[in-house]
Amino acid sequence: QVQLMESGGGVVQPGRSLRLSCAASGFTFSTYAMHWVRQAPGKGLDWVAAISYDGKNIFYGDSVKGRFTVSRDNSKSTLFLQMNSLRVEDTAVYYCAKSPGVAASGCDYWGRGTLVTVSS
Amino acid sequence: DIQLTQSPSFLSASVGDRVTITCRGSQDLSNYLAWYQQKPGKAPKLLIYAASTLESGVPSRFSGSGSGTEFTLIISSLQPEDFATYYCQQLNSYPLGFGPGTKVDIK
Repeated sequence: QVQLMESGGGVVQPGRSLRLSCAASGFTFSTYAMHWVRQAPGKGLDWVAAISYDGKNIFYGDSVKGRFTVSRDNSKSTLFLQMNSLRVEDTAVYYCAKSPGVAASGCDYWGRGTLVTVSS
Repeated sequence: DIQLTQSPSFLSASVGDRVTITCRGSQDLSNYLAWYQQKPGKAPKLLIYAASTLESGVPSRFSGSGSGTEFTLIISSLQPEDFATYYCQQLNSYPLGFGPGTKVDIK
């Protein structure tokens, strides 16, 4: 069965960096686009970034563009999110999510999320 | 960027009620819209994609319709497990975005 497991969250000071990982299993990781979505405490969903199956096409939300970098290692079935220049407003649960095979069809599997807290 | 609005933001309903949630886009989305259900402390669950296609395993009491800028999620007969927050997501163009959510609570 499809499993996505995020890791790397924690407490970090404003301005510092953090790298999240998402280990995928149960499907052929190298053939699916992947997404990062976050949710601040008590707030709605906020789309962060997407990366195509081969890593050649990458897109970011406006609030993270220039600070966050998404990447993937298909040989290790792992998705990454490098977060630099973190701000208090980046505090959220970060989810990785898988795209279905059909383009523009949302995210059919999600991890449980990892909490990032940015605080001094 | 495309903006999404949802209405209502909150609704109180009883088991067995028919529930309708609307999502509107600031631009034409064609049919590139998905609906998710989220329960407290859990990841979102995909319900519908391409505006009206039911995700595998989702009960048939859920349905979606619409195209262009106006979309609807209908729960034909609300069940106890349906009390949750529902989000729409546009998939027409990047950056992708979610609506603000509709919380369905028990009356």
